[in-house]
Amino acid sequence: TQLLEQSPQFLSIQEGENLTVYCNSSSVFSSLQWYRQEPGEGPVLLVTVVTGGEVKKLKRLTFQFGDARKDSSLHITAAQPGDTGLYLCAGARGGSNYKLTFGKGTLLTVNP
Amino acid sequence: DTGVSQDPRHKITKRGQNVTFRCDPISEHNRLYWYRQTLGQGPEFLTYFQNEAQLEKSRLLSDRFSAERPKGSFSTLEIQRTEQGDSAMYLCASFGMEGAQYFGPGTRLLVL
Repeated sequence: TQLLEQSPQFLSIQEGENLTVYCNSSSVFSSLQWYRQEPGEGPVLLVTVVTGGEVKKLKRLTFQFGDARKDSSLHITAAQPGDTGLYLCAGARGGSNYKLTFGKGTLLTVNP
Repeated sequence: DTGVSQDPRHKITKRGQNVTFRCDPISEHNRLYWYRQTLGQGPEFLTYFQNEAQLEKSRLLSDRFSAERPKGSFSTLEIQRTEQGDSAMYLCASFGMEGAQYFGPGTRLLVL
C-alpha cells in the first residue's frame, strides 16, 4: 500500500519556468520531509515541516504542509538545470519510531 | 566530513554469497535507520536502532538479513545467501531533530 502519492511522476521543463509538485495521503503525519536525490546517491534533506499550514522557504523553493497534515507541496520558482533530480516526500506517523514512509518521487528535468 | 558514511559504495556478488555493509552515522545521533530502495521506488524502511538496541524490523527483513549496532555507533547489515531480488540500493540514515533523517550515499548491491 502506497501511503504517499506524489504527482506528477515525471516533469520536464525549461530553465526559468515555475513548477509545483504534490505529495498527498489519506493518513496524518506528525512530520513530513522533502528530499532531493541524484542518480547513484542517497537522498539529501531539503526541509522538515511539522505544523499544519506551515510554509517554509529555502531560496527559490517553497514548501507547504497542509492544514490537516496529510499533504504537502513543493514550489520551485525560476527553475535552473541544477534543480534536476528526483524529489521525494517522506512522512513520519505518530509514535516514537519516526520511521519514514516515502512516496515514489517526482523526477524533474530542467532543460537549459 | 561529519555526515553519514557507508561502505562499500558498490558491491557486485554472485547469487548465494554473503555480503555485509557498514554505516557510520553522525556521531551525536543515537538513532540509526536502514532502508532499501529499488529502481523507480522510494526508499522502504527495513529496521532501526536506538543506541545498540534494534527496536523494530520490517517484514521486508527476511531471516537472511541481520543488522547489528554493537557499540551504539556504527552499524552493519548482512545479507546471507543473496538472491537476485536483493539487488537494490541500501541506505542508512541518522536521526536528528524533529524527525529529520540524514542519509548516507548508499551501497548499491547487484546480485548476479
